[in-house]
Amino acid sequence: SQQGEEDPQALSIQEGENATMNCSYKTSINNLQWYRQNSGRGLVHLILIRSNEREKHSGRLRVTLDTSKKSSSLLITASRAADTASYFCATAEPRGGNKLTFGTGTQLKVEL
Amino acid sequence: SQTIHQWPATLVQPVGSPLSLECTVEGTSNPNLYWYRQAAGRGLQLLFYSVGIGQISSEVPQNLSASRPQDRQFILSSKKLLLSDSGFYLCAWSAPPTGPNTEAFFGQGTRLTVV
Repeated sequence: SQQGEEDPQALSIQEGENATMNCSYKTSINNLQWYRQNSGRGLVHLILIRSNEREKHSGRLRVTLDTSKKSSSLLITASRAADTASYFCATAEPRGGNKLTFGTGTQLKVEL
Repeated sequence: SQTIHQWPATLVQPVGSPLSLECTVEGTSNPNLYWYRQAAGRGLQLLFYSVGIGQISSEVPQNLSASRPQDRQFILSSKKLLLSDSGFYLCAWSAPPTGPNTEAFFGQGTRLTVV
């Protein structure tokens, strides 16, 4: 079963705008991660936020984590056409060797 | 540096034929290994994960099996493929549980079409 559910499923914005994606999960976690997938390719890790952190930045990426609501958000600022991809959240669970479980993903399209 | 190899990139197999997808990792020891399946336009479904040689956890009852004959080798198999086994299969590894980071590194995937 899927641990994470992402919202929205699809997002279309203009270049230069900000893109916000949300992720909700169900169980306790050690950390939450965001990944990017270009069409037909493997996933690439973007950023990891630990369960005791509330916000983290990496370049144009900003991730927040609210463990009380079991939710996270990924903000991409000043989006570019090259940001067009699918974005997934993944949670690492304390049991089972930090097993990674992925959400359903958000398909982001950034138009010129 | 660590690398992950997954092959083949694409595969077309008839219904009822066997399957063997191989994944190997270099440059790390005792990694966690994962097999995921992704249906077209969908999220990743965890099929199997392994924390050590011979230790395989199955997440979803299905027509597939996995084996880890060596520390850095993970194999996905089927004795008889079904049409529903078609999809994009991804192998991944992450650091052992005692490591500070658990980000996953993915292979390029195998596009399997069962005809």
